[in-house]
Amino acid sequence: QKEVEQDPGPLSVPEGAIVSLNCTYSNSAFQYFMWYRQYSRKGPELLMYTYSSGNKEDGRFTAQVDKSSKYISLFIRDSQPSDSATYLCAMSPSGGYQKVTFGIGTKLQVIP
Amino acid sequence: GAVVSQHPSWVICKSGTSVKIECRSLDFQATTMFWYRQFPKQSLMLMATSNEGSKATYEQGVEKDKFLINHASLTLSTLTVTSAHPEDSSFYICSAPRGDTGELFFGEGSRLTVL
Repeated sequence: QKEVEQDPGPLSVPEGAIVSLNCTYSNSAFQYFMWYRQYSRKGPELLMYTYSSGNKEDGRFTAQVDKSSKYISLFIRDSQPSDSATYLCAMSPSGGYQKVTFGIGTKLQVIP
Repeated sequence: GAVVSQHPSWVICKSGTSVKIECRSLDFQATTMFWYRQFPKQSLMLMATSNEGSKATYEQGVEKDKFLINHASLTLSTLTVTSAHPEDSSFYICSAPRGDTGELFFGEGSRLTVL
């Protein structure tokens, strides 16, 4: 079993839809959770960073962490074609200073 | 704007030559930087941890003599792929944790093609 499981997709949605991206994990030591957006042939871009259970909102993005279920989500409201990218979840025991474990990434396509 | 800069963004070289990739933290100091390799349709795979002022720590299966890492200053780490071969062709990405929060920022990546 992988430490972090993420459906690779692809996920296709119409413009304006609410997108839900998810990851599950098995290592209870993970305390810091991140979501990255990666466009083709580019490095990952940090979208959300959280270290507690609950919700964190930033514009159209909401990150949700449920440590009891070992489940994290990223919601994108009013999705735009420019949101089309691969979304990577990532997590670590103590922030970026220790080895970060990544999901395989979910490829999202927002259709105009 | 980018907080971690990587250069070059792409490079093509002949088999047997060496290639150097630079990773710079632009507005913060990073005593630690990470180097990853990403093959098509695969996730980021950590290759090594670069430590300022000391030797890099390599992940299992990564040849330290082939992938030379130097962390010369608090804002610069370099990865040198020595005697590159076509199987080394990949997307190499660096990252650096910033500040007390440990948020991890990535460079733009360097695509290496070995002919």
